[in-house]
Amino acid sequence: AQKVTQAQTEISVVEKEDVTLDCVYETRDTTYYLFWYKQPPSGELVFLIRRNSFDEQNEISGRYSWNFQKSTSSFNFTITASQVVDSAVYFCALSEKGSMNNNDMRFGAGTRLTVKP
Amino acid sequence: DAGVTQSPTHLIKTRGQQVTLRCSPKSGHDTVSWYQQALGQGPQFIFQYYEEEERQRGNFPDRFSGHQFPNYSSELNVNALLLGDSALYLCASSPMWGAQGFEKLFFGSGTQLSVL
Repeated sequence: AQKVTQAQTEISVVEKEDVTLDCVYETRDTTYYLFWYKQPPSGELVFLIRRNSFDEQNEISGRYSWNFQKSTSSFNFTITASQVVDSAVYFCALSEKGSMNNNDMRFGAGTRLTVKP
Repeated sequence: DAGVTQSPTHLIKTRGQQVTLRCSPKSGHDTVSWYQQALGQGPQFIFQYYEEEERQRGNFPDRFSGHQFPNYSSELNVNALLLGDSALYLCASSPMWGAQGFEKLFFGSGTQLSVL
């Protein structure tokens, strides 16, 4: 069974601080996909990144970076020099391989990030 | 290019009533999925529609049903509403077959359903 754990319920930082959001996942599949989504107060989930299980390369996109480690089943997300606009709920999600595009994504409970000016 | 649109944005119903939520997928997408997000929790997969058929289903009772139309838009129906059905209902769309395998989902802003 697939499971995603985001142990940090809420994080509060001051602007310009770096912050790391943790994600630990469980799956029995060898092929799977990991995602991060951002949910601002408007409610819409905004896609940030997708990673497949065969690509452990870390990725950096502007102030965002992701650390994928299969050995520890973790896919952590770091925001460098945080800004007030980064305030949102962030979700980590897992999708296992299927015979067709599998929209059954398992989401973690989310981490609410508040960035104070 | 419009993204995923959902209607209505808010809805208030009483226990036992029935509700229909609507979703139009992003242009070029033929697959629609529905998720339920209770307060303070992550979204939970309800079901997925492709070619007007339910293809996958999460752990939700038969009170939850859906439909997909030839133009790929979709409806979510919930019968015999319970207080516990109060949640944000999110619609997501994607192309069925993406160039890179699993495609990311594009989400709408959701319908906030309150059951009194």
